[in-house]
Amino acid sequence: EAQVTQNPRYLITVTGKKLTVTCSQNMNHEYMSWYRQDPGLGLRQIYYSMNVEVTDKGDVPEGYKVSRKEKRNFPLILESPSPNQTSLYFCASSFIPIAETLWNEQFFGPGTRLTVL
Amino acid sequence: KQEVTQIPAALSVPEGENLVLNCSFTDSAIYNLQWFRQDPGKGLTSLLLIQSSQREQTSGRLNASLDKSSGRSTLYIAASQPGDSATYLCAVRPVAGTASKLTFGTGTRLQVTL
Repeated sequence: EAQVTQNPRYLITVTGKKLTVTCSQNMNHEYMSWYRQDPGLGLRQIYYSMNVEVTDKGDVPEGYKVSRKEKRNFPLILESPSPNQTSLYFCASSFIPIAETLWNEQFFGPGTRLTVL
Repeated sequence: KQEVTQIPAALSVPEGENLVLNCSFTDSAIYNLQWFRQDPGKGLTSLLLIQSSQREQTSGRLNASLDKSSGRSTLYIAASQPGDSATYLCAVRPVAGTASKLTFGTGTRLQVTL
């Protein structure tokens, strides 16, 4: 089954304790992205990757790191989590089209609910 | 800066009603618009994708329209069912900036009652 998986699905942690949220897709997609969803703010992009070893900042990258060492995996790293990073996080992926007018669907993972105390 | 608005924020309808969800965006320069469904504790499920050159897309009881010049899209749900209860999100892919990024609205929470 074609899917985007995230782990863990739920996480409660304390301020300053490094954590990693994993994301994996089995559709051979070049493009992967992380979003966070907060009440009243919608989904906002944190980081994205156009291919292996190619990553770039989205709208809200502060306090986050990512890596893309393999095509299928795109982990989100919080080196020193703070309470304002309490949120629902989504990983997404899609193919990159040959022309920008041909972008197709983005597929989303099930989400990771993170609470930082 | 592209902004996407969805009104109303919440909607409750009795089963069987036809309903329309609205999505508006401030910059008409978009590549496409995508409608999603979000269920509590679950991820986003893509419902329909409309390319900027298209005016509508249909899938089963769902029909999405796009009027790019006025910055509007509607999602029409026919003969609503309790299983349609969810939050519906629209997202545009803007031409300006990074084409890979989606700009989301804050969603309409739909409840279909028996």
